[in-house]
Amino acid sequence: EAGVAQSPRYKIIEKRQSVAFWCNPISGHATLYWYQQILGQGPKLLIQFQNNGVVDDSQLPKDRFSAERLKGVDSTLKIQPAKLEDSAVYLCASSPAGQPQETQYFGPGTRLLVL
Amino acid sequence: AQSVTQLGSHVSVSEGALVLLRCNYSSSVPPYLFWYVQYPNQGLQLLLKYTSAATLVKGINGFEAEFKKSETSFHLTKPSAHMSDAAEYFCAVSGSGGSYIPTFGRGTSLIVHP
Repeated sequence: EAGVAQSPRYKIIEKRQSVAFWCNPISGHATLYWYQQILGQGPKLLIQFQNNGVVDDSQLPKDRFSAERLKGVDSTLKIQPAKLEDSAVYLCASSPAGQPQETQYFGPGTRLLVL
Repeated sequence: AQSVTQLGSHVSVSEGALVLLRCNYSSSVPPYLFWYVQYPNQGLQLLLKYTSAATLVKGINGFEAEFKKSETSFHLTKPSAHMSDAAEYFCAVSGSGGSYIPTFGRGTSLIVHP
């Protein structure tokens, strides 16, 4: 069974530029999560999708971050314009149905550096 | 709101020694609790989880954790550390107060000396 795929693995941009990350979850998983992991901290949930609908985006900085999962499969997270404090690892995870007791399966992450 | 506290950002042990990583949670009802491990440049991988069945939970790679409601703790242990255990360990909680949003602790870096 293929795991969660993410691309790119690394990205370096200058502040005020835009960037997009892609995630393909495990086949059949209805729930997809995007996390931001700043160096030295635990992952912080940015947005949770159930199929192609948003379950929670309360911690997503909506003035600059956007995410979509149009067909309920893969997803894109965009930052526009980027700030220095957006430097972090962006993790994508999926789970079968989004129940709180379910295991989340994580991708390798995209490491973003904003200069 | 639910929260997780991991005591000690770094824990250093000798190979073969006991590993103890501490996790305390805040919740008005017993939540679901998880330990994940993150190796360098990789995503998180589940070690074990508590889902209100047995309070002593056994996971992969010889790790186990005990849910103690009276202490609101879910500490992770392993009897004998191996060099390959060196990684970042995260405690997480979900399901508290009806919240499905998973909350992670800040992580504990386990250092294993030969």
